[in-house]
Amino acid sequence: GQNIDQPTEMTATEGAIVQINCTYQTSGFNGLFWYQQHAGEAPTFLSYNVLDGLEEKGRFSSFLSRSKGYSYLLLKELQMKDSASYLCAGPFSGGYNKLIFGAGTRLAVHP
Amino acid sequence: ETGVTQSPTHLIKTRGQQVTLRCSSQSGHNTVSWYQQALGQGPQFIFQYYREEENGRGNFPPRFSGLQFPNYSSELNVNALELDDSALYLCASSLELSRSTDTQYFGPGTRLTVL
Repeated sequence: GQNIDQPTEMTATEGAIVQINCTYQTSGFNGLFWYQQHAGEAPTFLSYNVLDGLEEKGRFSSFLSRSKGYSYLLLKELQMKDSASYLCAGPFSGGYNKLIFGAGTRLAVHP
Repeated sequence: ETGVTQSPTHLIKTRGQQVTLRCSSQSGHNTVSWYQQALGQGPQFIFQYYREEENGRGNFPPRFSGLQFPNYSSELNVNALELDDSALYLCASSLELSRSTDTQYFGPGTRLTVL
């Protein structure tokens, strides 16, 4: 099956930069998503990578290396409101657009 | 354009009961997926509906079933509830099944507690 691994928890300081890593098995791969989820709320879409490289979107950037089965989400100029869980997910089931999620990385931003 | 909506917001049931959760997809979206998210975990795929037919299923027993209606809204039914069914149930809609890269948009979820 396809496994997605990401760190359980991270802490960072307001204004800093943090990188959240995600590794996955490459079989059946069809792109990689990042979602943000605040406690008690629904996941909200952050980014999607289907090609290798870095995609920048404001304070958030996402990187993908398909050959290495590796992605990261880079958050710059951290704000307190960035405290949330960050989920990486891949649509792995050959066109069904079914997402397999990692367990999420809980990021705590401190003043 | 309205987003994905779900009802009810919260629900408490006892073991052995049955429950029906509802989802209205985002306007124009014809594909609906259901996910179960246990506390501290990522969402787990239950199944997906496309044009009123089940189109892909995760590792969930048959007591989890669903429907999609002509207006693309959907229901998730769970029979013979177990304590481990306590979770946040998320519905996600997307524009078109055929594009596997399509972004899914999630509803606010239904928090189910089984006592």
